[in-house]
Amino acid sequence: AQTVTQSQPEMSVQEAETVTLSCTYDTSESDYYLFWYKQPPSRQMILVIRQEAYKQQNATENRFSVNFQKAAKSFSLKISDSQLGDAAMYFCAYRSAFYTDSGGSNYKLTFGKGTLLTVNP
Amino acid sequence: KAGVTQTPRYLIKTRGQQVTLSCSPISGHRSVSWYQQTPGQGLQFLFEYFSETQRNKGNFPGRFSGRQFSNSRSEMNVSTLELGDSALYLCASSGTGVRETQYFGPGTRLLVL
Repeated sequence: AQTVTQSQPEMSVQEAETVTLSCTYDTSESDYYLFWYKQPPSRQMILVIRQEAYKQQNATENRFSVNFQKAAKSFSLKISDSQLGDAAMYFCAYRSAFYTDSGGSNYKLTFGKGTLLTVNP
Repeated sequence: KAGVTQTPRYLIKTRGQQVTLSCSPISGHRSVSWYQQTPGQGLQFLFEYFSETQRNKGNFPGRFSGRQFSNSRSEMNVSTLELGDSALYLCASSGTGVRETQYFGPGTRLLVL
């Protein structure tokens, strides 16, 4: 079974500064997807960024980028120019690229415990 | 496109009762997954439905069940509620294809007294 570990329960950053959230995962599979989701106090889970394991290039979405180290099974999220609206719980998630036993695409996400990010003005 | 909607948003039940939660996916999405979020256990996968068939199931007791209708709307049911079932229940929908991303609804917060 796959596991996802976020070792930082809480992080804080000054507005306009850069912060990196850590995530490691354990899997024996060769093909998979990794995600960072953001959950603000409203509780709506929002996709921040995704990475496909077969792609060597790190994903980037505006101020958000990842450092994907496949051999080390590490997937960190860097937030540049932090804004007050970035304050939220951030979850790292894993999804297998292999089909389920029933033959369909596998949409099961395995989440880490989350990192609560505080942005100070 | 409208996002994923979940009803009701808040619910209070007592132990022993049963509850049904509803999820309407994004138009055109045929996969619906359900997750339970609690402070202690975090986010845990319940099950996933695609074209009215359950394709994947997490490690939850049989009290937790679900179904999907022909219009892709999904319901989950919890029978004989326990205090530990108090949680935020999230559903996520996805289009067809292994590369599709899942989009979450706002959740239903269930409190069991």
